[in-house]
Amino acid sequence: DAKTTQPTSMDCAEGRAANLPCNHSTISGNEYVYWYRQIHSQGPQYIIHGLKNNETNEMASLIITEDRKSSTLILPHATLRDTAVYYCIVRVGGTGKLIFGQGTTLQVKP
Amino acid sequence: DTAVSQTPKYLVTQMGNDKSIKCEQNLGHDTMYWYKQDSKKFLKIMFSYNNKELIINETVPNRFSPKSPDKAHLNLHINSLELGDSAVYFCASSPRGGGRNSPLHFGNGTRLTVT
Repeated sequence: DAKTTQPTSMDCAEGRAANLPCNHSTISGNEYVYWYRQIHSQGPQYIIHGLKNNETNEMASLIITEDRKSSTLILPHATLRDTAVYYCIVRVGGTGKLIFGQGTTLQVKP
Repeated sequence: DTAVSQTPKYLVTQMGNDKSIKCEQNLGHDTMYWYKQDSKKFLKIMFSYNNKELIINETVPNRFSPKSPDKAHLNLHINSLELGDSAVYFCASSPRGGGRNSPLHFGNGTRLTVT
């Protein structure tokens, strides 16, 4: 299973963009990159996913490098409610098995 | 309009007891899961059901028995509870058989404490 590496923690000022990096150098050609977040005491919340093209939705943007070995999740205008643990996950093909690592704890500060 | 709902939210019980956690999704998904988050906050898959059929069983002790009466429900029954079963249990669902292009949607968890 492809493994991901993320920084343990990051800070971001409220209103600024939060850029969360993720390395997945062993990703296979048909494996998707998923991002979830977990706000304290809640279930993981789906944010965005992509295969090789950059993706954008109402929550965030996902930038995947051309070689697909790394990606960046961008929250364009972070708010205090974006404080959470963010997980970058490479989806095991054909199943719903998500392998969660330790994630990045993002602290948005006023 | 809750998408994936679990009951109870909190469950405190003694060792040796048998307990159940219920999960329901109203998203029309055909695949449902149970994940466990331990004290170190790691989330791991336990089971996956697709259209009431068991797809994934991740070497979970047979004291844990999932039951899917229909594709909108996946309950988790735990026999002879042990201290190490204390954790937060999350139910999730996804469409299209859990394919790699299908996001999982999680409930808000059941915090089980075994004393």
